[in-house]
Amino acid sequence: EAGVTQFPSHSVIEKGQTVTLRCDPISGHDNLYWYRRVMGKEIKFLLHFVKESKQDESGMPNNRFLAERTGGTYSTLKVQPAELEDSGVYFCASSPRGLSNTEAFFGQGTRLTVV
Amino acid sequence: AQSVTQLDSQVPVFEEAPVELRCNYSSSVSVYLFWYVQYPNQGLQLLLKYLSGSTLVKGINGFEAEFNKSQTSFHLRKPSVHISDTAEYFCAVSPMNTGFQKLVFGTGTRLLVSP
Repeated sequence: EAGVTQFPSHSVIEKGQTVTLRCDPISGHDNLYWYRRVMGKEIKFLLHFVKESKQDESGMPNNRFLAERTGGTYSTLKVQPAELEDSGVYFCASSPRGLSNTEAFFGQGTRLTVV
Repeated sequence: AQSVTQLDSQVPVFEEAPVELRCNYSSSVSVYLFWYVQYPNQGLQLLLKYLSGSTLVKGINGFEAEFNKSQTSFHLRKPSVHISDTAEYFCAVSPMNTGFQKLVFGTGTRLLVSP
């Protein structure tokens, strides 16, 4: 079974540009999460989808970040326009619904560098 | 709200020596507890989790952790480390009252195992 897959693995963009990160969760997982780790600090929650609906987006830093999950499958996280402080590693995770939902499975992350 | 403290940012240890990575948490509600590991150039992998029952939890690769409710701690231990255990370790919690949802992470502890 394929795990959580994230694209690209690395991205270097200039300040002011737009970047779109993609996450493919484990097949059948209704829950999808985005997290971010900035400059060696703690990994922080950004938002949570249940299928295509945003369950909790309390961690989104500002309106330059837009997450979508059309059709309840893969998700994208767009940063527009990117700022220097957006640099970091963006992790995606997924988990199943119901009683078997007791842990999150993480992808390898996308390292974003804004210069 | 929850918070997780990993006081040691880096722990150097010699191969075959025992190691303990400390984790303390703060929460007004009961929590699930997790340890994740990130090996170089890889994603986050679950080492072990505490949901309920026995406070001593065994995980993969010979690691174990003990939940201490009175001290609000969940320290990770291994009796004899290998070079391959060199990685960054993250402690995390998730509140029980909402079911498994978003994770709150500590800042991570980098374990450096030398020959």
